[in-house]
Amino acid sequence: SQTIHQWPATLVQPVGSPLSLECTVEGTSNPNLYWYRQAAGRGLQLLFYSIGIGQISSEVPQNLSASRPQDRQFILSSKKLLLSDSGFYLCAWSVDTSGNTIYFGEGSWLTVV
Amino acid sequence: AQSVTQLGSHVSVSEGALVLLRCNYSSSVPPYLFWYVQYPNQGLQLLLKYTSAATLVKGINGFEAEFKKSETSFHLTKPSAHMSDAAEYFCAVSRPGYSTLTFGKGTMLLVSP
Repeated sequence: SQTIHQWPATLVQPVGSPLSLECTVEGTSNPNLYWYRQAAGRGLQLLFYSIGIGQISSEVPQNLSASRPQDRQFILSSKKLLLSDSGFYLCAWSVDTSGNTIYFGEGSWLTVV
Repeated sequence: AQSVTQLGSHVSVSEGALVLLRCNYSSSVPPYLFWYVQYPNQGLQLLLKYTSAATLVKGINGFEAEFKKSETSFHLTKPSAHMSDAAEYFCAVSRPGYSTLTFGKGTMLLVSP
């Protein structure tokens, strides 16, 4: 069966520091991968999605970036965090682009102080 | 463009009462529709999905939803609430052939004894 792992689960970072959140999927090949952010009272916002290695689509311009160095690895990064980057970050995957189900990881809490 | 509106950021019910969480969508093409549940500090779990088959969709934990094209709605119901149903519920829409989901802002379900 397929599983998705995301880490770290909790992170407290000062303003201006870098960020790296990692996500890996097991049990499937060539998944679509996603990063969502959930801020209080604002639902889920799609940040990035990827349909293959090195192929990243950005949905919202901001100081975050994403990379996909391997087929089942998706990394969310920032060079300099802002207070507004605080939130709950969710990695997710799906089988293909047919509108199939998206499966979520357990999430990472980021607090920028 | 697609969008989802969830009516009511919070819904309170008594244990054993009917649960009704409302979702209306906007889509230029026949949509795929999803309901996810999120327990505190966890990722999202798929409850059920509609992908143009039967309009009444049954999901896990006794939940079901009915797709009503004329009303552009996909409301989530459960005949009898349990304390364990207390969580945040998200409605989402996608387009066939596209892998990204657009989420509503969520509805927090509160269940009292």
